[in-house]
Amino acid sequence: GAGVSQTPSNKVTEKGKYVELRCDPISGHTALYWYRQSLGQGPEFLIYFQGTGAADDSGLPNDRFFAVRPEGSVSTLKIQRTERGDSAVYLCASSPRGSDGANVLTFGAGSRLTVL
Amino acid sequence: GQQVMQIPQYQHVQEGEDFTTYCNSSTTLSNIQWYKQRPGGHPVFLIQLVKSGEVKKQKRLTFQFGEAKKNSSLHITATQTTDVGTYFCAGPGAGNMLTFGGGTRLMVKP
Repeated sequence: GAGVSQTPSNKVTEKGKYVELRCDPISGHTALYWYRQSLGQGPEFLIYFQGTGAADDSGLPNDRFFAVRPEGSVSTLKIQRTERGDSAVYLCASSPRGSDGANVLTFGAGSRLTVL
Repeated sequence: GQQVMQIPQYQHVQEGEDFTTYCNSSTTLSNIQWYKQRPGGHPVFLIQLVKSGEVKKQKRLTFQFGEAKKNSSLHITATQTTDVGTYFCAGPGAGNMLTFGGGTRLMVKP
């Protein structure tokens, strides 16, 4: 597509529930990133995919967080047993490649997650 | 791990005044990128600097990369209300992810 598309744009859930956030990157971009942004903070790295594989998941805060990219395009971030502290804007970004750390990221509009 | 820090956190200026934000990394960077996030929006890429001491200009915006490649600055001349937003610097961390600073939020009074 023309840009990075994220759905849903807003998600309100109750503590303990399971949520999925979807990201559709720019067509042809092999690298895909998930970041989390809390109010007044900079984006915090969660996970990076190069193609279908998770090349770096060191930013995932705990094992309640998981992400997949089965066909090397669309990615889904999955959060189990949500906690109030998970409330944030989840940003997805893509770039043409991810091999040299000099890539420009194109961000989606984000999914705002609110855990009550 | 790598840390990227920005100062100031907030800056109020009168329209027409200049503005500068500073970015410092705990490690030497191969490159540094700057992004702008408008209120309610998402980060949008502005520029990338690669060479030691590099200076790049975009209209009223001047970006500089330090000689030691550990710091950078963004200077805006004669701010306008359209400059409002949060400016982030970001540098490559371990692996292929970008580490973002905390950002400087610029508010412009008309």
